[in-house]
Formats: sequence, structure tokens, C-alpha cells
Amino acid sequence: KQEVTQIPAALSVPEGENLVLNCSFTDSAIYNLQWFRQDPGKGLTSLLLIQSSQREQTSGRLNASLDKSSGRSTLYIAASQPGDSATYLCAPGRGQTGANNLFFGTGTRLTVIP
Amino acid sequence: SQTIHQWPATLVQPVGSPLSLECTVEGTSNPNLYWYRQAAGRGLQLLFYSVGIGQISSEVPQNLSASRPQDRQFILSSKKLLLSDSGFYLCALQGQGFNTEAFFGQGTRLTVV
Repeated sequence: KQEVTQIPAALSVPEGENLVLNCSFTDSAIYNLQWFRQDPGKGLTSLLLIQSSQREQTSGRLNASLDKSSGRSTLYIAASQPGDSATYLCAPGRGQTGANNLFFGTGTRLTVIP
Repeated sequence: SQTIHQWPATLVQPVGSPLSLECTVEGTSNPNLYWYRQAAGRGLQLLFYSVGIGQISSEVPQNLSASRPQDRQFILSSKKLLLSDSGFYLCALQGQGFNTEAFFGQGTRLTVV
């Protein structure tokens, strides 16, 4: 069974700082990995999808990398802003009878201080 | 663009009462649909997924069931709620294929009292 760990569990940084969130997973037989953000009491917002054949993916100030063989992914956030405060979740996906089921850890809660 | 509608946003139900949570999607055809639950202090857990009308797969044994009566409708049900059914329920969709992005609804907060 896929186990996902995200370190650190919580992170507080001053505005403008660059930061890295870490994700590790136990089963490297994945099709892709997706990063999400979740605001308190809300659903998940997709940030980036990295296919298993890719090494990294970029969207604006976000850059995600994937090392499938070692079971690791990182999310780099450049020039952090208070609006980036949220819980960040990584979710490796594994195909199963036509579906791509995602597995989640408990996330990293990020606070960006103005 | 794809849209996921979940209702209600919050729900308080007594133990032993029935449950029906509905999820409808727009802007896509023949999607894969998912129900996840997020319990307090825990990660999201996949409960059910469906690759087509009437096709339901369960990931964990539990007190809940799911149905997909139409292509863009996914329903989560229970005949008798337990306290342990409390949590944040999220519906998600993905397009066909293994390398498509997943999108989530805004969730339903269920409290069983």
C-alpha cells in the first residue's frame, strides 16, 4: 500500500522567501504525481501534475520535481506571498482498472508572514 | 472548463440516520469520478471510484456505498450513519486515461452526533 510522507508538517516563513516542500512515497510504481493546495475548510486546488516520465514541471512561481526511482518529489515556491498560506498536498497516482487513484499524506501547512 | 458541484456544504446528522451526498460535474464527458474522505488530522482516503455509469469500486470496507446513475452524477450513501462517518467528503473527477489532472469539489463537512 502506498504511504506518503510530507516534511515538514508545518512551515512558517517571512514574505519573499523561497522555500521547498518535500514529499516521499514508498511505492515507485506510479503513473504521475500531483501537487495540490487546500485552504482551511475548502476543497483541493490542483497546482501541478508531473507525469512519471517527466523530471519537473513549472507553473509561474511554482516548480515541482519528481525522482520516481527514489520515491521523492519537491515543490519549490519562489518569492513567497501571504496568499500562498495553505496546506500543500502531494499525491502520487497509480492506475487501477482504468482509474488513476491518488494517495495522500497529511500535507505541509505553510504560513507566509507579511 | 470542468466544474464539480457538491451539496450540501455542511451537514449535521444523528447516529443511525441515512445519508445521501450528491456530486454532479459539468464540462466533461465520461469522467472517472471519486469519493474521498478527510478525517480530522488525517490524509485524504479514497473511498470509491467509478469509471462509468453503474461501475463502482470500493477501496475500503465501510458503512458507506456509492452509486453512479448518470455519467455526470456520483452519489455517496449510507443507510445508518455511525459516529466514525464524520469527516470532510470530497468528490473528484479525472478525464479518461492515467495521466490526466484530478479536480476536486468544495466538499461536504459531515458531523454525526
